[in-house]
Parts: sequence; C-alpha cells; structure tokens
Amino acid sequence: EDKVVQSPLSLVVHEGDTVTLNCSYEVTNFRSLLWYKQEKKAPTFLFMLTSSGIEKKSGRLSSILDKKELSSILNITATQTGDSAIYLCAVAKNTGNQFYFGTGTSLTVIP
Amino acid sequence: KAGVTQTPRYLIKTRGQQVTLSCSPISGHRSVSWYQQTPGQGLQFLFEYFSETQRNKGNFPGRFSGRQFSNSRSEMNVSTLELGDSALYLCASSLQTGGDTQYFGPGTRLTVL
Repeated sequence: EDKVVQSPLSLVVHEGDTVTLNCSYEVTNFRSLLWYKQEKKAPTFLFMLTSSGIEKKSGRLSSILDKKELSSILNITATQTGDSAIYLCAVAKNTGNQFYFGTGTSLTVIP
Repeated sequence: KAGVTQTPRYLIKTRGQQVTLSCSPISGHRSVSWYQQTPGQGLQFLFEYFSETQRNKGNFPGRFSGRQFSNSRSEMNVSTLELGDSALYLCASSLQTGGDTQYFGPGTRLTVL
C-alpha cells in the first residue's frame, strides 16, 4: 500500500531557530516529491524534487531528496512567525496525477 | 494569471441531500484533481480528470463522482450525504497529467448536519 509518513507531527520553536521536517515514503512508480505549505487556506507549492541529492532552495527554505532512503527533508532556517503553518509532503506517481499526501507537520513559531 | 477558483466556498447541507462543487483551473491547465481534507485523515485523493476523462480514482464510494468540461472546468458531486462527508474539498490543477506540479484552489468547506 502506498503511503507517506511525516515527522514530527507537530513542532513548536522560537523565532530564529532552525527546523528540519521529515518525510518518508513507500510509493510504487515514484515520479516526484513535493512540499506544500498550508496556512488557513489552500496548500501553496514550495518545491518539487525528482532527483536524488539535489538541493532546492528558496530563501530560508531548502529541501533535498534521498531516493535511496526514500525520504526527504525540508529545512527552514532563521524561522519567523510567518512560517507557522502545516507543511505537507506529497509524492506523485508516474501514472496519472494521484498525489499521496502525508498528514503534515504542524509548525508553530513563537516570538 | 488567475489561480484556481472554487465555488461555493462554504456549504451547509443535511444528511441525505446531494451537493455539487465547482472548480475552474488555472488558464491553460488541463488536469484537475480533487481531494478531501479532514483533520483525522489529511488530504485524500478523490479523482483526477484530464481532457474530460477520469484518469484516476481514489478509494471513495460511488456516491462521489465528477466530470470535466471541454473548457477544463470540473464539477464534483456527492449524493446521499453522510455526516462523515463534512470536510474541506480541494481542487488542484496542473498543466498535464503524470505527476506534474499541482496548484490548489481555496477549497469548499462542506458541513453536513
């Protein structure tokens, strides 16, 4: 059965801290792994990773995929209160557009 | 470029009724996927439509159905509503099928009483 597992389930940090969110997957016909940020609305796209070992960066956020370990991490440095959200990991298969989502990591950044 | 739009944003229905939700994808996007999001289960895939054809279907009962029109707009229908259908229904569009990046709409919050 295809599944995506994220850890930790929730995290509370202080502004300025660095956090690492984890995503592991067991999905056949893997095509790509995506990270989304969800505040009180629709998930917004952060990164798509298809190749192992290549880091994607956007400002204070970065992510890397390890296809051997079937996992990915999302790093956020110098966290801000605006980073408070649920971070979702999704895996796409080669066939169709069926994405498998993890249940998310809830990040709370306190001033 | 306008994003994905969904209507209505909020709906309150009673058990046994049926409901139709609408999704307009980003201009030029041909694939529309639907997801159900609940606190306990997270985001679960319902189905995907591409070029007016259902390409994939998740593990949901037949009460959940959908369709796509020639302009790529999609509708989702839920018949004989149950309390457990209360959820946020999200639509996502992508250029193509096959694992392309999906962009989400704001969702329709359905409450079944």
